Amino acid sequence: DGGITQSPKYLFRKEGQNVTLSCEQNLNHDAMYWYRQDPGQGLRLIYYSQIVNDFQKGDIAEGYSVSREKKESFPLTVTSAQKNPTAFYLCATRRPNEKLFFGSGTQLSVL
Amino acid sequence: SQELEQSPQSLIVQEGKNLTINCTSSKTLYGLYWYKQKYGEGLIFLMMLQKGGEEKSHEKITAKLDEKKQQSSLHITASQPSHAGIYLCGADVSGGSQGNLIFGKGTKLSVKP
Repeated sequence: DGGITQSPKYLFRKEGQNVTLSCEQNLNHDAMYWYRQDPGQGLRLIYYSQIVNDFQKGDIAEGYSVSREKKESFPLTVTSAQKNPTAFYLCATRRPNEKLFFGSGTQLSVL
Repeated sequence: SQELEQSPQSLIVQEGKNLTINCTSSKTLYGLYWYKQKYGEGLIFLMMLQKGGEEKSHEKITAKLDEKKQQSSLHITASQPSHAGIYLCGADVSGGSQGNLIFGKGTKLSVKP
């Protein structure tokens, strides 16, 4: 079955540490997105990529980095510069003008 | 500033009652998407609306987009405990130039048996 897979489900970060969230899709979609969800805040866009080897900053890109070396993969790194990383992170893919397909999310917490 | 306003923020209804959730934008909505989310899980797609005046239904859920394409409503008829969750509206306000959606803050629905 085609789909989008996020891992891990839960992740813990120590102070000063960078952590990477994985997002893989086999839907053959060009566009991929990373959203951050905080309680009561809805979803906010971190980064997005509309094609391999290209990506753009979203509304809250500071403290995060991404890469898009393969069509299937769009990993998100939460760097030590992100001072408030605790949140639920959602990866999504989309065909133009169609719905977003979401992964099951990664809950990141700070130790 | 929040470009997509959802109301109410939370809702508690008795099983069997009808309810409506609203999603309003100050900008034209080129595409309006309704999703449902269980706590700690991904978003499940419900319906997509693109044309002014469009209305779609699936089982007991009906979504509408007004003629001006700035407001959408989600109506649940005869609510059941399985309808409980967080409902989010997402919208394309860029006309497709960026491809990303913006989202409202969500409406938390609880259904009392």
